[in-house]
Amino acid sequence: KNEVEQSPQNLTAQEGEFITINCSYSVGISALHWLQQHPGGGIVSLFMLSSGKKKHGRLIATINIQEKHSSLHITASHPRDSAVYICAVLPYGQNFVFGPGTRLSVLP
Amino acid sequence: GAVVSQHPSRVICKSGTSVKIECRSLDFQATTMFWYRQFPKQSLMLMATSNEGSKATYEQGVEKDKFLINHASLTLSTLTVTSAHPEDSSFYICSARPPDRANTEAFFGQGTRLTVV
Repeated sequence: KNEVEQSPQNLTAQEGEFITINCSYSVGISALHWLQQHPGGGIVSLFMLSSGKKKHGRLIATINIQEKHSSLHITASHPRDSAVYICAVLPYGQNFVFGPGTRLSVLP
Repeated sequence: GAVVSQHPSRVICKSGTSVKIECRSLDFQATTMFWYRQFPKQSLMLMATSNEGSKATYEQGVEKDKFLINHASLTLSTLTVTSAHPEDSSFYICSARPPDRANTEAFFGQGTRLTVV
């Protein structure tokens, strides 16, 4: 069993749709990152979460530490949101453990 | 905010040559940097941890003589792929964490796409 799992693996949405990507993990962590990787490859950290909820523009990320689960929501999705979204957790005193990624395509 | 800069973003080299990739932390001193490799449609895999002023720590299965890491200053780590072969073609990316927030924050370079022909 992978330490970090994501669902769905692939997601195609129409522009304007509300999108949810889920992440579940099995280890205790000090933080969880949601990363965005565009086709060119560069990675941007969208959110760092250790508890609760964060919002940035059309993006919302939540985490439930007790249930070891996090969600990334995109409201009013746009084609430029098309990317791979990676959940990455930081177990205490260790390095990142990455989820397999969710490939999102938003169609105009 | 803190930025990690990686150079070059793309490189094509001939088989048998060596390629150096640089990773710089621009806003903070990074005693530790991390090098990852990513094959197409796969997740990032940690190759090695680069430690300023000492030897890098390599993950199991990563050849230290092939992937030379030098962390000569608190803001610069380099990865040199020696005697590159086509199977070394991949996406390489570095990351660094601000020492005062190492348990939570992390920043990634833009990545380097290496193609060995």
